[in-house]
Amino acid sequence: DIQMTQSPSSLSASVGDRVTITCQASLDISNYLNWYQQTPGKAPKLLIFDTAHLHTGVPSRFSGRGSRTHFTLTISSLQPEDIGTYYCQQYDNFPWTFGPGTKVEIK
Amino acid sequence: EVQLLESGGGLVQPGGSLRLSCSASGFTFSTNAMSWVRQAPGKGLEWVSTFSGRGGTTYSADSVKGRFTISRDNSRNTLYLQMTSLRVEDTAVYYCAKDQTVAGTYDYWGPGTLVLVSS
Repeated sequence: DIQMTQSPSSLSASVGDRVTITCQASLDISNYLNWYQQTPGKAPKLLIFDTAHLHTGVPSRFSGRGSRTHFTLTISSLQPEDIGTYYCQQYDNFPWTFGPGTKVEIK
Repeated sequence: EVQLLESGGGLVQPGGSLRLSCSASGFTFSTNAMSWVRQAPGKGLEWVSTFSGRGGTTYSADSVKGRFTISRDNSRNTLYLQMTSLRVEDTAVYYCAKDQTVAGTYDYWGPGTLVLVSS
């Protein structure tokens, strides 16, 4: 199985800060990488698919990049509604696997 | 508007069975791959099973293979997950998710249903 790791596991930043989350795959997954946001008590929501494409309705302050084994999710200007846990997920090979998550809080 | 709504969760003893349902609307259900993803309390996300949109192919995680069966009724726009031989470690919120054009990307999720396996 392809293992996904994320760093940091949690972060605290101020409103307006630029925030970057890193996701690493144990094998080359090309660009088959998605990002999801989960706010407390809610279902996950798709943010970014295929490494860099924003899902419908996702604010442009979110962006993704990377390839093969190294990927990043960036929030250009952190907003209060961005608190939650962010997961990366690969879909290059079954079983699809998720990273352990990065919890984002407001300082 | 895409809507997914799970039902059928609850408390079950180890070794027991449960069937989850997911009612879908707002898209062409019959041609869309659908999946189940679960989340144990306080833990991360785990893909459980996928039913392809065309051809009827199913895929399941090794952790549930032989115990869980995914199925669908396109006439009712409903996805199912039949769970047998349940274990304590199956305790989780189970989400129904719609796959995007390419399977493996979940563009819409239901609110989830809690399955608690405990004696």
